[in-house]
Amino acid sequence: GNSVTQMEGPVTLSEEAFLTINCTYTATGYPSLFWYVQYPGEGLQLLLKATKADDKGSNKGFEATYRKETTSFHLEKGSVQVSDSAVYFCALISFAGGTSYGKLTFGQGTILTVHP
Amino acid sequence: DADVTQTPRNRITKTGKRIMLECSQTKGHDRMYWYRQDPGLGLRLIYYSFDVKDINKGEISDGYSVSRQAQAKFSLSLESAIPNQTALYFCATSDLGREDTDTQYFGPGTRLTVL
Repeated sequence: GNSVTQMEGPVTLSEEAFLTINCTYTATGYPSLFWYVQYPGEGLQLLLKATKADDKGSNKGFEATYRKETTSFHLEKGSVQVSDSAVYFCALISFAGGTSYGKLTFGQGTILTVHP
Repeated sequence: DADVTQTPRNRITKTGKRIMLECSQTKGHDRMYWYRQDPGLGLRLIYYSFDVKDINKGEISDGYSVSRQAQAKFSLSLESAIPNQTALYFCATSDLGREDTDTQYFGPGTRLTVL
């Protein structure tokens, strides 16, 4: 079955530090990969996505590259801000024969806290 | 206005009570989902529906039921609530037909506490 493993948290950084949150996966078919972000008291929002190998998703200064050879989709940001404090979820959805199974598989989430 | 709305946003109930959580969407998507979120476990799928006549169990459907009243409405029921159903519940929608590659869009969540 499908699974997603994220690095253990919580992660605490100072403002302007470099961020990496590791994510690896196992999947059947040809998965699309996602990072979702959950700000305090809110629902999940799509941060970025990649649909095929070597694609790079990017948004709000965050980036992640779909690495099929290492089955990874690590999230990076060069300079974090206090406003980036949130929970980050890596997720995948797998396709086979052009059909989506429709089921997102999530990692356990990584809590990020950024201090001024 | 939000594209995916959930009611209520917070609910406290007692063991054995029946409770319904409602989800509405204005995105025009065919697919709808219910997830629960527990600390350290990420989100787990309870039920999903690809259209009004198609409803499927997810990985943790025991103790839950759903109703897809219309394309835009998908309700989750707990027939007899128990304390380990205390969690944050999310509704989501998606539409494979677009170029979103089945990206899911989430509601704000319902925090349910079962005493």
